Amino acid sequence: LAKTTQPISMDSYEGQEVNITCSHNNIATNDYITWYQQFPSQGPRFIIQGYKTKVTNEVASLFIPADRKSSTLSLPRVSLSDTAVYYCLVGDLSNDYKLSFGAGTTVTVRA
Amino acid sequence: NAGVTQTPKFQVLKTGQSMTLQCAQDMNHEYMSWYRQDPGMGLRLIHYSVGAGITDQGEVPNGYNVSRSTTEDFPLRLLSAAPSQTSVYFCASSGASHSYNEQFFGPGTRLTVL
Repeated sequence: LAKTTQPISMDSYEGQEVNITCSHNNIATNDYITWYQQFPSQGPRFIIQGYKTKVTNEVASLFIPADRKSSTLSLPRVSLSDTAVYYCLVGDLSNDYKLSFGAGTTVTVRA
Repeated sequence: NAGVTQTPKFQVLKTGQSMTLQCAQDMNHEYMSWYRQDPGMGLRLIHYSVGAGITDQGEVPNGYNVSRSTTEDFPLRLLSAAPSQTSVYFCASSGASHSYNEQFFGPGTRLTVL
């Protein structure tokens, strides 16, 4: 399983853009990069997945450089309700059957 | 669709007792998994299944058994509960209908072992 490193915590204010960078130096050729969001007392929720370059959906954008050794989750114009823990996962469940959740990044959005 | 459901929501056990945590999904997903989450930590994989009749161990399988007799159900059995198994347990499922890496999680079971 590819090991990931992400910041333990980040603070932001409402309306700002939040960028969380995840390092995954030993990513394998078949691995995807997947991000989850978890609110207190809830199960994680899938946000976005990518393999290379840029992926955007209605919630976030995911930027992946050519060497794929890192990735950045971008949350545009955050609100108080975006306060959560964000997890970066690297792997491919269709092949490896295991994905490892690290400690995640606690994002706190203030008014 | 109900998605992924888990029962019970809360459970208190005494050391040495056994119990089964239930998990069911109605999305016809092939892949199902059980995680535990200790306070302030990430999720750790206990067991997983890639289809009915097929199960395998994750990172922390000791003290737990699973079975997968149907596509929908994936129960987790605690054989002899220990205080170290006090945790929140999450069941998840995914499949080819979305992406295997897009796991859908249940609401969790909060287990306390005294």
